[in-house]
This record gives sequence, C-alpha cells and structure tokens, in this order.
Amino acid sequence: AQSVAQPEDQVNVAEGNPLTVKCTYSVSGNPYLFWYVQYPNRGLQFLLKYITGDNLVKGSYGFEAEFNKSQTSFHLKKPSALVSDSALYFCAVRDMNSGGYQKVTFGTGTKLQVIP
Amino acid sequence: KAGVTQTPRYLIKTRGQQVTLSCSPISGHRSVSWYQQTPGQGLQFLFEYFSETQRNKGNFPGRFSGRQFSNSRSEMNVSTLELGDSALYLCASSSLGQSFDTQYFGPGTRLTVL
Repeated sequence: AQSVAQPEDQVNVAEGNPLTVKCTYSVSGNPYLFWYVQYPNRGLQFLLKYITGDNLVKGSYGFEAEFNKSQTSFHLKKPSALVSDSALYFCAVRDMNSGGYQKVTFGTGTKLQVIP
Repeated sequence: KAGVTQTPRYLIKTRGQQVTLSCSPISGHRSVSWYQQTPGQGLQFLFEYFSETQRNKGNFPGRFSGRQFSNSRSEMNVSTLELGDSALYLCASSSLGQSFDTQYFGPGTRLTVL
C-alpha cells in the first residue's frame, strides 16, 4: 500500500522569507512524487514531479522540491514567498510498482498563508 | 490546448435523487480519473478510465459509477444521493495513465445535497 503524510495543516510565513511545506511518503517500491496547488474554488494545478534522476526538482512559479530517499521525504520549497503563493498544497505519491495504472494517493493538504 | 473541462460547475440536489457529472479531458489524453474532495476526507480516488475501460476503482459504494466514451470524455453518476455526497468532484486527465504521467485537473463540480 502507498501513503503520503503532510504533517502540517497550516504553514505561516512572512512575505520574502523562504518557505517549506513538508511531505513524507511510504511505498513498497520506488515512488513517483507530485506536488499540486489549489486555489479557492479551483481544481488542482500541477507544480512539479519527481520520477528519477536529480533529487532536486524545479517546477512552476519558482517552487522546487527535494527528494530524499533515506528520509522518504519530498518537501516543497521556495526561496522567497509571495502573498499570491497563499493556497492549499497537496503532495501525492504513486508506487512505481502499482501496475502502471493511475492510482494516486494524495496527502491531506497544507494550507500556506503568506503574511504581507 | 484547452484544459480539462467539467460541467456543470455547481449542482444542488436533494436526497434520493441521482446526478450525472461530465468531464472532457485535454485533447489527446486517454486516461480520466475522478476524485471526491471533502473537508473531512480530503481527496479520495473514485475510479480511472482508459480507452472506455475502468482500470482502477477506489473504495466507494456501488452508487458511484462512471463511464468513458470513445472520444475519451467521461461521465460519473451518483444514484440515491445522500447528504454525505456533498463534495467537490474533480476530474483529471493524463495522456496514457501511466505511473509517471502528470494528471491535469479540471475546475471541479461542486455538488450540494440537501
């Protein structure tokens, strides 16, 4: 079985400061990992994904995430937060050995609040 | 390319009724997945369709069903609605539905059951 945990319901950060949204995962094989963002009354927007290769993945809107296999983590980061980054962030995992089918497990989401 | 579209955007129904939601994937995408999003349960996987076949199913009762047409458009149906079915229903498409494919989400259909 695959699972993903986002330990923080909410993260508050001052505008201009670096931000981190945490994610840990559990899979039986190698993971495919994703980050999505959701603005109010909208669907999820894709930010970035880790498939293989470089552990540091760069994505949209200046976000990046670092894959750490030993800690089974995939934390989302941004060097300088913007007020417009305030939204709900979801981490998702898919087990590479899930038969190639599109069964994704999402975390419970972390609300990011950037304070002006 | 146009994104994933879902219709209608908002629905209000009463208990016992049934509802059909529609999803049009990104052109060329053959995999469509459905999710239910609620404040208490988060994002829950409903099912995934590929080439008109359901390939995967989440842990939802049989009242939840879906189908996919030859043009990859998908519908989901919920029969005998319950209050707990009130949620945002999200559709996502990807090109082949493989494990490493990115899913692209539609704006969702907000269903309210009274």
